[in-house]
Amino acid sequence: DIQMTQSPSTLSASVGDRVTITCRASQSISSWLAWYQQKPGKAPKLLIYKASSLESGVPSRFSGSGSGTEFTLTISSLQPDDFATYYCQQYDGYVPFGQGTKLEIK
Amino acid sequence: QVQLQESGPGLVKPSETLSLTCTVSGGSISSYYWNWIRQPPGKGLEWIGYVSYSGGTNYNPSLRSRVTISVDTSKNQFSLKLSSVTAADTAKYYCARGKAPVGATLFDKWGQGTLVIVSS
Repeated sequence: DIQMTQSPSTLSASVGDRVTITCRASQSISSWLAWYQQKPGKAPKLLIYKASSLESGVPSRFSGSGSGTEFTLTISSLQPDDFATYYCQQYDGYVPFGQGTKLEIK
Repeated sequence: QVQLQESGPGLVKPSETLSLTCTVSGGSISSYYWNWIRQPPGKGLEWIGYVSYSGGTNYNPSLRSRVTISVDTSKNQFSLKLSSVTAADTAKYYCARGKAPVGATLFDKWGQGTLVIVSS
């Protein structure tokens, strides 16, 4: 089974910072990688799919990159609304999620 | 705008069957894949499985022996049954749409989720 590993588990940052979250797959998943944002008590929200495609309505400060086994989610300039937990997910075949990265206010 | 809404009992006894329904409004259930995902309190996300509008299914291998997902296109609903539940099945259960044709398990629309507690 493919395993997805995110790092870091927790990230402290300030409004305006540029932040990067990494997701590694245990074997190549081509570009079948999505990123979600989840706020407490709410359903996850799709941000990025196919590793770098921005979902409609998602601000352009979010971007994704990578292929094969290593992927990144970058927020170019953190806004107050961005503090949340982020999950990566492989969506070709079996559907593992990463364990999540909690983005906290420094 | 498509909306999804989960419904069903919030409390299920151990060894019994958990049953949930997701009602899709604002759009047709046709031409998409319909998924169930769960999240234990304070933990991460686990995909349970999906049903296509035509009734085809695919399940998480770790749950396959206990899961049935079905669709009722006449009611614009799909349902989850999870048998022989234990406390480990306590979680918030979400229904979600697969973003066809890009991916059956790429979730672009979600319900708000419903908490199911397994306890006697």
